[in-house]
Amino acid sequence: KAGVTQTPRYLIKTRGQQVTLSCSPISGHRSVSWYQQTPGQGLQFLFEYFSETQRNKGNFPGRFSGRQFSNSRSEMNVSTLELGDSALFLCASSRGTEAANTIYFGEGSWLTVV
Amino acid sequence: DAKTTQPPSMDCAEGRAANLPCNHSTISGNEYVYWYRQIHSQGPQYIIHGLKNNETNEMASLIITEDRKSSTLILPHATLRDTAVYYCIAPKPMNYGGSQGNLIFGKGTKLSVKP
Repeated sequence: KAGVTQTPRYLIKTRGQQVTLSCSPISGHRSVSWYQQTPGQGLQFLFEYFSETQRNKGNFPGRFSGRQFSNSRSEMNVSTLELGDSALFLCASSRGTEAANTIYFGEGSWLTVV
Repeated sequence: DAKTTQPPSMDCAEGRAANLPCNHSTISGNEYVYWYRQIHSQGPQYIIHGLKNNETNEMASLIITEDRKSSTLILPHATLRDTAVYYCIAPKPMNYGGSQGNLIFGKGTKLSVKP
């Protein structure tokens, strides 16, 4: 079956612009979470959605936002981009229905801010 | 999530078994142990998970000690393509519609498979 799909895979933006990243979870998965990965900070949790509701949020400024649609697809948005926002953004999905909740990651979206 | 501790790096000869240890001495009775790996520039790849019993799949085997304070991921015949950072995590279990929570990956073990 298809895995977690993220688009776009690579993008370059200018400081001050905004960006929207998209994530299609594995079919049947209702929980979607987002992570930012940088060489210095490792994987850092951004937020998580289940059935269109944000369930958990990491320690990121309000410029980082997300949403989930009724088909479980999710988007995240970063406004007023800063140079330090350059990172690999990862989306992960899971069923969200059982204790052994295996989480699957997408290939990520590489964002470069210049 | 239970705290996990892994060695920062390990080497393994191609074709030999790679044994990657993980310490999770504070793990709770209902917390599973998960292993992921990340090859440079790609998203983390799920490998295997377990609770108490040893587990095996097409990728690897997972050995969990009886007291559940540590585990070992075994790649039986390592290849160059197994060179990656391997992460051991023990997230709190999730209830229906609950939160996956903030998965804490740590720095993992950088496995280098050498010819």
